[in-house]
Amino acid sequence: AQSVAQPEDQVNVAEGNPLTVKCTYSVSGNPYLFWYVQYPNRGLQFLLKYITGDNLVKGSYGFEAEFNKSQTSFHLKKPSALVSDSALYFCAVTGRRALTFGSGTRLQVQP
Amino acid sequence: GAGVSQSPSNKVTEKGKDVELRCDPISGHTALYWYRQSLGQGLEFLIYFQGNSAPDKSGLPSDRFSAERTGGSVSTLTIQRTQQEDSAVYLCASSLEGSAQPQHFGDGTRLSIL
Repeated sequence: AQSVAQPEDQVNVAEGNPLTVKCTYSVSGNPYLFWYVQYPNRGLQFLLKYITGDNLVKGSYGFEAEFNKSQTSFHLKKPSALVSDSALYFCAVTGRRALTFGSGTRLQVQP
Repeated sequence: GAGVSQSPSNKVTEKGKDVELRCDPISGHTALYWYRQSLGQGLEFLIYFQGNSAPDKSGLPSDRFSAERTGGSVSTLTIQRTQQEDSAVYLCASSLEGSAQPQHFGDGTRLSIL
């Protein structure tokens, strides 16, 4: 069975500072990994994915993620946080049927 | 272009009533998914439709839950004899075929059972 862990319920960062939202996964075989963001009262929006190839994946809104096979991690990063980045972030791995999501990390960017 | 559309956006109903939730996927997307988002359980997979194949119903929590997809497009999730624990946000997503394809989500239906 596949699983995703997001060890931090909340991450606080000051505007302009770099941010990291952590994700580790467990899956047999090669993983397809995704990051989604959710704003209040909205559905999830796709940010980026890792399928194969370069370990550093670039996505929407200046976000990127680094795939590390040996550490089974797929951390989300951004060099300079914006207040508007404040939202709920989900890491997910795809399997035979659908996405398996982590529990989510709330990102709070303070002005 | 148009995204995934879900209706109603909010539904309040009494315990024991039946409810129907509707999802209109992105045109051309052959895969359609239903998820449930609740405070205690996070995001749970419910059911998956892919083209003309038999749906994967393995995530449905009880036989009170059912879903259909007509003509390979619109889907309806039905909950019979609703219980208070059914209160949640029900999210629909669609995608092109294949596990590597990103899923596109609607804004969900917030279901409240009184």
